[in-house]
Amino acid sequence: KAGVTQTPRYLIKTRGQQVTLSCSPISGHRSVSWYQQTPGQGLQFLFEYFSETQRNKGNFPGRFSGRQFSNSRSEMNVSTLELGDSALYLCASSLGSSASYNEQFFGPGTRLTVL
Amino acid sequence: AQSVSQHNHHVILSEAASLELGCNYSYGGTVNLFWYVQYPGQHLQLLLKYFSGDPLVKGIKGFEAEFIKSKFSFNLRKPSVQWSDTAEYFCAVIDYKLSFGAGTTVTVRA
Repeated sequence: KAGVTQTPRYLIKTRGQQVTLSCSPISGHRSVSWYQQTPGQGLQFLFEYFSETQRNKGNFPGRFSGRQFSNSRSEMNVSTLELGDSALYLCASSLGSSASYNEQFFGPGTRLTVL
Repeated sequence: AQSVSQHNHHVILSEAASLELGCNYSYGGTVNLFWYVQYPGQHLQLLLKYFSGDPLVKGIKGFEAEFIKSKFSFNLRKPSVQWSDTAEYFCAVIDYKLSFGAGTTVTVRA
């Protein structure tokens, strides 16, 4: 069974631009969660989508948004990029929503660098 | 919101030494706890998890963890480490989201 895939793996953008990251969950998984990983803040939850609906949201500004498609693939968008948005963005998929405490499987991440 | 804290930021060991990484959680009710590992250049992988039952949980690659409710702890252990255990280790708790500790970098010297 293929794992969680994320594209692209690396991105370089400049301040003020926007970016879209993509995540394909494991086949059959309906929940996708997004996390931001930085050396200073560690791993922080961004949001979770289940059956095309945002179920939960972390403490990030509105510049961070996402969506989920009917095939469970998810995209995350960051608008008006800031230097502090440079991070590894991780996607995790699970069978059910996180509320049911299903194990989350992580993708390799997208390394975003904002110049 | 539930949270976890990890005691050590960086641990350096020699091969065959024993490893114990501390993790404390904040919530006094029912908790579901995890240990994840991130090897250099690789994605996060689940080492083990505790939902209920036997408080001594065995995971992959010879790792185990003990859930001690009275101490709010979920420490990770391995009796004898190898060079390949060099990685970053994260304790996590789940309520509606996974909340991770700051992580512990483990360096195993050959």
